[in-house]
Amino acid sequence: QVQIVQSGAEVKKPGASVKVSCKTSGDTFTSYVIHWVRQGPGQGLEWMGWINAGVGNTRYSQRFQGRFAITRDTSTSTAHMELSGLTSEDTAVYYCARSNILGTYYFDYWGQGTLVTVSS
Amino acid sequence: DIQMTQSPSSLSASVGDRVTITCRASHNINIYLNWYQQKPGKAPKLLIYGASNLQSGVPSRFSGSGSGTDFTLTVSSLQPEDFATYYCQQSYNTLVTFGQGTKLEIK
Repeated sequence: QVQIVQSGAEVKKPGASVKVSCKTSGDTFTSYVIHWVRQGPGQGLEWMGWINAGVGNTRYSQRFQGRFAITRDTSTSTAHMELSGLTSEDTAVYYCARSNILGTYYFDYWGQGTLVTVSS
Repeated sequence: DIQMTQSPSSLSASVGDRVTITCRASHNINIYLNWYQQKPGKAPKLLIYGASNLQSGVPSRFSGSGSGTDFTLTVSSLQPEDFATYYCQQSYNTLVTFGQGTKLEIK
């Protein structure tokens, strides 16, 4: 069955960067789009961007343009996200989720979430 | 960006009640609208995709409707496990936005 497993919790200082990984199994990695969604403490869901795992093209929310990047490694069926210039406002649980490639992006499988804490 | 507005932000109801949550898009999004349920400390769970299609394994008491800018999620008879936060999500033009969420609490 499909599984998505994310890397562990991170604690970072303001100004630093964080990289979170998202490993999928149980299906063809390159047939899907991987999205990143975050949720601040007590807050709602915020979409950050996606990568087409087959072609490798990306699209990001304007809110994160310039300090956010998604990459993928097809040999390990893993997507990575990197967020730079961290502030306390970036403290959140970061989720990756899978959607089809057709543009009707609904997220049928999610990772377990990775808590990123930004604190001096 | 397309903005999604859910109402109400919170809702108190009893087991067995029928409840409806509304989601309004700032622009026409056809049927590119999905619904999720989230419980504390857990990842969201897909309930409805394409405005009205029930995800596999989701109980039939959940249903969705709408197109264009106005959408609804209905739970026909609330069960204890349905008390959670619900989010709508649109994906028109391959950009994604979520509604702000509706917290469904036990009365």
